[in-house]
Amino acid sequence: DQQVKQNSPSLSVQEGRISILNCDYTNSMFDYFLWYKKYPAEGPTFLISISSIKDKNEDGRFTVFLNKSAKHLSLHIVPSQPGDSAVYFCAAGNSGNTPLVFGKGTRLSVIA
Amino acid sequence: DTEVTQTPKHLVMGMTNKKSLKCEQHMGHRAMYWYKQKAKKPPELMFVYSYEKLSINESVPSRFSPECPNSSLLNLHLHALQPEDSALYLCASKGEGMNTEAFFGQGTRLTVV
Repeated sequence: DQQVKQNSPSLSVQEGRISILNCDYTNSMFDYFLWYKKYPAEGPTFLISISSIKDKNEDGRFTVFLNKSAKHLSLHIVPSQPGDSAVYFCAAGNSGNTPLVFGKGTRLSVIA
Repeated sequence: DTEVTQTPKHLVMGMTNKKSLKCEQHMGHRAMYWYKQKAKKPPELMFVYSYEKLSINESVPSRFSPECPNSSLLNLHLHALQPEDSALYLCASKGEGMNTEAFFGQGTRLTVV
């Protein structure tokens, strides 16, 4: 049973346009959500997070939106750059030392 | 210092070998994790250490043996592995409190021949 779902395995976007990556979750106990970016043969790099008490968090070109009633979050990258091409993992957790639960990832390709 | 350091970066071992993967962090994090990642799949949790004690073992075969000698170090001892164990092995650590992210190392690319 997948608690964190990323239903789009891949996404292609033109340079300069907006990239929108989506994530759905099923466990109501999750109270914070994270996005990680991963290049091949490297560990995931933390990108941005959002607490369940917020509905938006922005950091430069990256914005994460959370819709708790729909159990849905999205990552917006604008403008998209070729260097953003990577696999993006959505992850969810709750307070304490419980491990993060990851989605299957979405491979973003930004085309110049 | 927000680094999690893993050594070695690459490892090739035979099925009869014994080897160890090492992970180190100096952020004062008391939760450390081992993940396994196969190509085109998400990281898959193997073990969780909390305050140097094993708190979660996700039904990992005994040929993988974790060890946490102190609060900064995490080892994964490997013995009699199979070719299907070839993967990227990731270490992560996380601080306490709400909304803290996990920091990942760069991983060890393991090939079992």
